[in-house]
Amino acid sequence: GNSVTQMEGPVTLSEEAFLTINCTYTATGYPSLFWYVQYPGEGLQLLLKATKADDKGSNKGFEATYRKETTSFHLEKGSVQVSDSAVYFCAQPEYGNKLVFGAGTILRVKS
Amino acid sequence: DADVTQTPRNRITKTGKRIMLECSQTKGHDRMYWYRQDPGLGLRLIYYSFDVKDINKGEISDGYSVSRQAQAKFSLSLESAIPNQTALYFCATSDLVSHTNTDTQYFGPGTRLTVL
Repeated sequence: GNSVTQMEGPVTLSEEAFLTINCTYTATGYPSLFWYVQYPGEGLQLLLKATKADDKGSNKGFEATYRKETTSFHLEKGSVQVSDSAVYFCAQPEYGNKLVFGAGTILRVKS
Repeated sequence: DADVTQTPRNRITKTGKRIMLECSQTKGHDRMYWYRQDPGLGLRLIYYSFDVKDINKGEISDGYSVSRQAQAKFSLSLESAIPNQTALYFCATSDLVSHTNTDTQYFGPGTRLTVL
C-alpha cells in the first residue's frame, strides 16, 4: 500500500533559522500530497497541499514542491518563529480521501 | 464554536471497561473518520464513513466499533478496553468537493484516552 516517510525529530532551531523537514512517499500513480500541522493541545489542521507533480503548495511562509522524480514533498520555511513550534505531518490520500500519515516531526523553535 | 467537537477530551478507564468517544460536526460534511495517534507512528485510520449508511474498517479496526447516528455524529466504541489502546484519538470530516482525493480533512481537538 501507499506509505509516507518523514525525517525523525525532534528538530530544534533558533528563531529565524531555515527549516527543512523531509518527506518521501510511495504510491501508485501521482497522488495529492499534504502537510498538516498540530499545535500543542490541538487537532491537526491543513498547512498546505499540492495536487499534481511540480505543484508548489504554500501557506504562512511554508512551502513544499511535489517532485515526482524523487517522490518527495519536503517542507521548507526561510525563517522560523517560536510560534511555528508544533508537530508536522506529511500525508497522502487513498481511495475515499482516507489519509496515510508519516510519523510526524516535532519542531521546537527557541527564541 | 468549533466545527468538529469531541467528547470527552480526556478519559482514564480500566482494562475491560466499555468506552464511547463521541464526535459531532457542524460543517455539513458527509465523510467522517476516526484516527488514533501514537508517538512515532503518526495517525492511523480506525474506521471511516462516507454517509450514514456506509461504514468501513480502516487499518486498525480490531477492538473498536463505530456508530454513525446522523450525518453530524460519529461515535467510536471500545467494547473492552485494553492498555495498548491508550492513545490520542481524533475525529475528522471532509466533504466530497472533488473526486481526486484532494479534499481537506478537518480535525477535532482529540480525546486523550488512558487505559489502566
